[in-house]
Amino acid sequence: QVQLVESGGGVVQPGRSLRLSCVASGFSFRTYDMHWVRQAPGKGLEWVAVVSNDGSNEYSADFVKGRFTISRDNSRNALYLQMNSLRGEDTAVYYCVKERLYGDFDYWGRGTLVTVSS
Amino acid sequence: EIVLTQSPATLSLSPGERATLSCGASQSVPKYLAWYQQKPGQPPRLLIYDSSNTATGIPARFSGRGSGTDFTLTISSLEPEDSAVYYCQQRTNWQYTFGQGTKLEIK
Repeated sequence: QVQLVESGGGVVQPGRSLRLSCVASGFSFRTYDMHWVRQAPGKGLEWVAVVSNDGSNEYSADFVKGRFTISRDNSRNALYLQMNSLRGEDTAVYYCVKERLYGDFDYWGRGTLVTVSS
Repeated sequence: EIVLTQSPATLSLSPGERATLSCGASQSVPKYLAWYQQKPGQPPRLLIYDSSNTATGIPARFSGRGSGTDFTLTISSLEPEDSAVYYCQQRTNWQYTFGQGTKLEIK
C-alpha cells in the first residue's frame, strides 16, 4: 500500500534553516508530481510547493518563494523541502502529498511538525 | 491567485439529515476542483475529484457537483462518523489553493 513518511521536523529558531524529507513506497514514485502542504495549529490547509515527476519543474506559493526549495531524488523515492530564513508563521505540520493525476491529492503522509520559536 | 470561499463556516445537523457544503471561487476554475475530509489528528482524505467523481473507497452518500465558480459537496444521509472539517481545493496554472474549511458537527 502507499506510504509517505515524513521526517526532519523539530524546533528551530527564527532565521535558521531546516530540511524536511519524505520517503515514499507502494507506488511508482517517479511517475507522479509530489507536493508539500502545511497546516498551522488549529488552522486550515495551505499548499506550499510542487515538484514535477521528473524533477524538472518546481512551483511554490508566493509566501515561500526565495526561502523554501522543493526537490526530489527518484532513485531514493524521496521528496525534500529545504526551508531557509524560517519565521514564526512557518510553524505548522508539513505534509508530504502525492498528486493523483490532474491537480488533486490522493495520498498524504502523517506529517512532521515544524516549530519556529526562539 | 484564485481564492476559494467555503460556506457555511460551521454546520450542525443530525444523523440521517442531508448536508450541503458550498465552495465559491473568485475566478472560474477548470474541472480540477476537489473535496477533502479531515478528522482531528489525521491527514486529509480525498473525497471528490474533478468536481463530481468520487474517490476510491468513499461511500456513495458523498457527491459533488458544480462548475465555473460554484461548487457543492452533498452528504445525502449523515452518519456520526461524518463529523469533520471539509475543504475544497483547486489547481490552476501550477498554483493550488484550499478553501478555509467547513466544520460539520453531528448532533
